[in-house]
Amino acid sequence: GDSVTQMEGPVTLSEEAFLTINCTYTATGYPSLFWYVQYPGEGLQLLLKATKADDKGSNKGFEATYRKETTSFHLEKGSVQVSDSAVYFCALYNTNAGKSTFGDGTTLTVKP
Amino acid sequence: DVKVTQSSRYLVKRTGEKVFLECVQDMDHENMFWYRQDPGLGLRLIYFSYDVKMKEKGDIPEGYSVSREKKERFSLILESASTNQTSMYLCASSPHRGRDTEAFFGQGTRLTVV
Repeated sequence: GDSVTQMEGPVTLSEEAFLTINCTYTATGYPSLFWYVQYPGEGLQLLLKATKADDKGSNKGFEATYRKETTSFHLEKGSVQVSDSAVYFCALYNTNAGKSTFGDGTTLTVKP
Repeated sequence: DVKVTQSSRYLVKRTGEKVFLECVQDMDHENMFWYRQDPGLGLRLIYFSYDVKMKEKGDIPEGYSVSREKKERFSLILESASTNQTSMYLCASSPHRGRDTEAFFGQGTRLTVV
């Protein structure tokens, strides 16, 4: 079956530091890839997505590139802010199965 | 904006009770999902539905059932609540099954079974 493995947390960074959260996947077929973010007390919301190999998704300064050869979709941001503190989930969407598979989530805390 | 609304933010129920968690979406989405979220385990799919009166088991359906009598409403039912069902429950919907399909989530229901 499908699975997503993401970097274990928690991750603590100082403001303006560089962020990388690793994500790798295994899937039957050719999935689409997503990063979702969950702010405290809220549900998940889409951060960015990529639907085919070599696509780069980007939003709010975050980026991730769909690397089919390494089955990876690592999340990066050049300069984090305190407001980026949240839980980040990597996910794949299997079109054939019609459902998503999520990683365990990585908690990011950014300190001023 | 798409809105997915879960009926309760917090619930406390007793062991053995029948529990209903309700979810409503307002964007005419075909697909609806129930997940539970536990620390260190991420999101695990309980049940999903592609259409009215249709349901599919997810990865952890045991102890749960669902109902979708109307397109906008998807209910999760705990037939006899147990303490190991204490968790955060998240409902989601999505519009179709294309490659760019994203899920829209409700705010979650934190259920405690005592």
